[in-house]
Amino acid sequence: KNQVEQSPQSLIILEGKNCTLQCNYTVSPFSNLRWYKQDTGRGPVSLTIMTFSENTKSNGRYTATLDADTKQSSLHITASQLSDSASYICVVSDEYGNKLVFGAGTILRVKS
Amino acid sequence: KAGVTQTPRYLIKTRGQQVTLSCSPISGHRSVSWYQQTPGQGLQFLFEYFSETQRNKGNFPGRFSGRQFSNSRSEMNVSTLELGDSALYLCASSLDPAGSYEQYFGPGTRLTVT
Repeated sequence: KNQVEQSPQSLIILEGKNCTLQCNYTVSPFSNLRWYKQDTGRGPVSLTIMTFSENTKSNGRYTATLDADTKQSSLHITASQLSDSASYICVVSDEYGNKLVFGAGTILRVKS
Repeated sequence: KAGVTQTPRYLIKTRGQQVTLSCSPISGHRSVSWYQQTPGQGLQFLFEYFSETQRNKGNFPGRFSGRQFSNSRSEMNVSTLELGDSALYLCASSLDPAGSYEQYFGPGTRLTVT
């Protein structure tokens, strides 16, 4: 069964610190892997989208990495800000782009 | 370019009623997907429409249905509402099939069933 598992479920960090969120998936083969940021009560916003051939992709203070061999991805947030408090969702698309498999998300809280 | 819009933003219905939610995709986008999100749950895929045809469907009962019009606007309908249908319903559009192209989400419709 195709699954996407994210860890940790939730995380609290101090403003200015870095953090890394994990995503493990079983979707194989896959077409692309995405990270979304969702603020409470709002729609998700795309941070990065990577194909199976890409290892890393950055979007400002957000850097996503992908290891297709171990089926793992991580999202690294540098110099966190209060506005980074949100849910971060990992999504994997199957090989033919027919199905998107969503992780349950990691809830990040940045405190001052 | 205008983003994805959803109407209404908030809705309160009574158990047993039906509801219709609307989604207008980004201009030029042909794919519209619908998701349900409940507290503590991840995004649950409802269905995807592409060029007026249902392309994919999630594991939801037949009470949940949708359609897409020739201008790519989409509606979803929930009949015989249950308390468990209370959720944030999100619509997302993409240029072509969602699995291959980046999706852009709307702000969602918050449905409360009493």
